[in-house]
Amino acid sequence: QVHLVQSGAEVKKAGSSVTVSCKAPGGTFSDYTFNWVRQAPGQGFEWMGVIIPLYGTANYAQKFQGRVTITADESTTTIYMELNSLRPEDTAVYYCARAETATIYNWFAPWGQGTLVTVSS
Amino acid sequence: DIVMTQSPDSLVVSLGERATINCKSSQSVFYGSNNKNYLAWYQQKPGQPPKVLIYWASIRESGVPDRFSGSGSGTDFTLTISSLQAEDVATYYCQQYHTLPLSFGGGTKVEIK
Repeated sequence: QVHLVQSGAEVKKAGSSVTVSCKAPGGTFSDYTFNWVRQAPGQGFEWMGVIIPLYGTANYAQKFQGRVTITADESTTTIYMELNSLRPEDTAVYYCARAETATIYNWFAPWGQGTLVTVSS
Repeated sequence: DIVMTQSPDSLVVSLGERATINCKSSQSVFYGSNNKNYLAWYQQKPGQPPKVLIYWASIRESGVPDRFSGSGSGTDFTLTISSLQAEDVATYYCQQYHTLPLSFGGGTKVEIK
C-alpha cells in the first residue's frame, strides 16, 4: 500500500513562513501529480495547489497565489509546500495528496497523514 | 470557481438502514468528450486523512464495501450507504476535479441512531 509521509507539526508566529514536506514512494514519482489541501479545525477542505513533477510545474489556487510555493525533488521523491506571511487563520492541518495519474484533473489517493500548523499572533 | 454544496450537514441513521448524502455543483462537472463526471466521494474518520470511496461519480475504489454506491450526473450527485454499519460513522465529502481550483463540499457527518 502506498504511503505519503509528511513532516511533523509546526508552531509559527504570524508573519513567518512554514515548509511542510511529503515523502512519496520511489520508482514512479513522475507518473503522478501531488496536491496540497488544508483543513482548518472543524472545517472542510481547501485545495491550495498542485505540482506535476514530470514537468516541474505548479498551479496554485488564486487565494494563495504569491504566498505559496510547491516544489518537488525527484532525487528524494519529496514534495514541499512553503507558505509565507502566515496569519492565525492559516492554522490548519495540511495534507499532501497524490492524484491517480499525471494529470491535474483527478481524485486523490492516497493522502499523507497530515501536518498541523499552528500560527500564533 | 465551482461551489460544491452538500446536504444534509448531518445525518443520524439506525444500524442496517440506508443513508443518503447529496452533493450539488454550481456548474456541470460532466465532460462530454469522455462521457465522465469528474466527481469523487471521500470518507474521513476523526484524526485520519480522507479515504477515497468513489470516483468518476460511480466507480467504487478497490476494497471499498459494495454497500457504498455513487450516482448522478451533471450537477447533482448522491452517495448511498445501503445498510449502515458501525464502522461507517464518519464525515463524507464530495469533490469536483473538473475545473481548477479543485473544490470540496462542506461535508456530511453520519452518526448512528
